[in-house]
Amino acid sequence: EDQVTQSPEALRLQEGESSSLNCSYTVSGLRGLFWYRQDPGKGPEFLFTLYSAGEEKEKERLKATLTKKESFLHITAPKPEDSATYLCAVHWVTSGTYKYIFGTGTRLKVLA
Amino acid sequence: DGGITQSPKYLFRKEGQNVTLSCEQNLNHDAMYWYRQDPGQGLRLIYYSQIVNDFQKGDIAEGYSVSREKKESFPLTVTSAQKNPTAFYLCASRRGTRSMNTEAFFGQGTRLTVV
Repeated sequence: EDQVTQSPEALRLQEGESSSLNCSYTVSGLRGLFWYRQDPGKGPEFLFTLYSAGEEKEKERLKATLTKKESFLHITAPKPEDSATYLCAVHWVTSGTYKYIFGTGTRLKVLA
Repeated sequence: DGGITQSPKYLFRKEGQNVTLSCEQNLNHDAMYWYRQDPGQGLRLIYYSQIVNDFQKGDIAEGYSVSREKKESFPLTVTSAQKNPTAFYLCASRRGTRSMNTEAFFGQGTRLTVV
């Protein structure tokens, strides 16, 4: 069964304490893996797209990487304003049909 | 500014009542989506539309209906058949399902509560 799993469900970090969030997937025919940030009561905002294993993207304190089975969102020296839920989504094709599915997210809390 | 506008932000529904959530986009995107978000369950796809006058059921379409009469509009009706409608509803659009640059753009959501 095609699945997208994010871990951990929740993460608390001290300001400046670097860590990584994981998004693992079992789909075949990957077309793209997407990371989004969602603040409470708002819609998700796009962060990155990764298309092939070995690809990396960076934006401020965030760095996304992709392997054949999973993606990591590395957060370096986080600040309280990085607190949010981070969602990954996978876009793939199966039997000629394009599909797009979200993981359940990781709730990140960065303490000052 | 281009974007997606959802209205209202908060909506209260009485038992047995149908309500319609509005979603308008001025991004000229072909594909539009409705998601439902419940705590701990992530985003679940209700309906999607890839082109005007065509739409497809997602994973949890029962109790919902949509229309796509215009490219920029994709309203969602929550009918009385939806037994547990209290949730956060998100509308999204993408440039097209066959484009490699397929990030989704989201509205700010509508929180629906049954009273």
